[in-house]
Amino acid sequence: GAVVSQHPSWVICKSGTSVKIECRSLDFQATTMFWYRQFPKQSLMLMATSNEGSKATYEQGVEKDKFLINHASLTLSTLTVTSAHPEDSSFYICSASHPLGEGRDTQYFGPGTRLTVL
Amino acid sequence: GQNIDQPTEMTATEGAIVQINCTYQTSGFNGLFWYQQHAGEAPTFLSYNVLDGLEEKGRFSSFLSRSKGYSYLLLKELQMKDSASYLCAVSGGSYIPTFGRGTSLIVHP
Repeated sequence: GAVVSQHPSWVICKSGTSVKIECRSLDFQATTMFWYRQFPKQSLMLMATSNEGSKATYEQGVEKDKFLINHASLTLSTLTVTSAHPEDSSFYICSASHPLGEGRDTQYFGPGTRLTVL
Repeated sequence: GQNIDQPTEMTATEGAIVQINCTYQTSGFNGLFWYQQHAGEAPTFLSYNVLDGLEEKGRFSSFLSRSKGYSYLLLKELQMKDSASYLCAVSGGSYIPTFGRGTSLIVHP
């Protein structure tokens, strides 16, 4: 159980275009999903917290108009990188909260999406 | 804020035991996680500690001391496939984990 999928797994796009990445919890409902970005040999950097049915909470320094997040259902969150530029090239990973028991949650991660902007 | 520190890289021999340390400073504490991440892949959950002590799960064990702001991940009977990055993540007052930079473990024959 607790499988999270991400689509696409990799994408190459031209500068100035928009790219949508989907994150799905396949066998559980996730009221909260998270979007991370990871540069080579760097840690996971939290971009935003996505709550079903409400606006996402963005971390400091993350442009909400550039990285659009929609959490339309309990199993789907999308991240759209608008007007992508080469510096947006990175590994984007989503995760979904899943109960550990005793009121605690852990995160299960999707396989990630490697974005390359030319 | 939160600050998490772990070694950048470690090497070990197949069949040996290795301990990866993690120290942290956090405002509020709601648990410490360890994740394994192979190159080019997303992290996978290994362990969760919220109380002091050792949690054992097969070849992997995780220890926590809240008073010292310290945790370690212990890997026994190392296998080549254990070569990966190991991420320490701390859940503070917001319940959202903050990740350390990760420790790259290289297992050689």
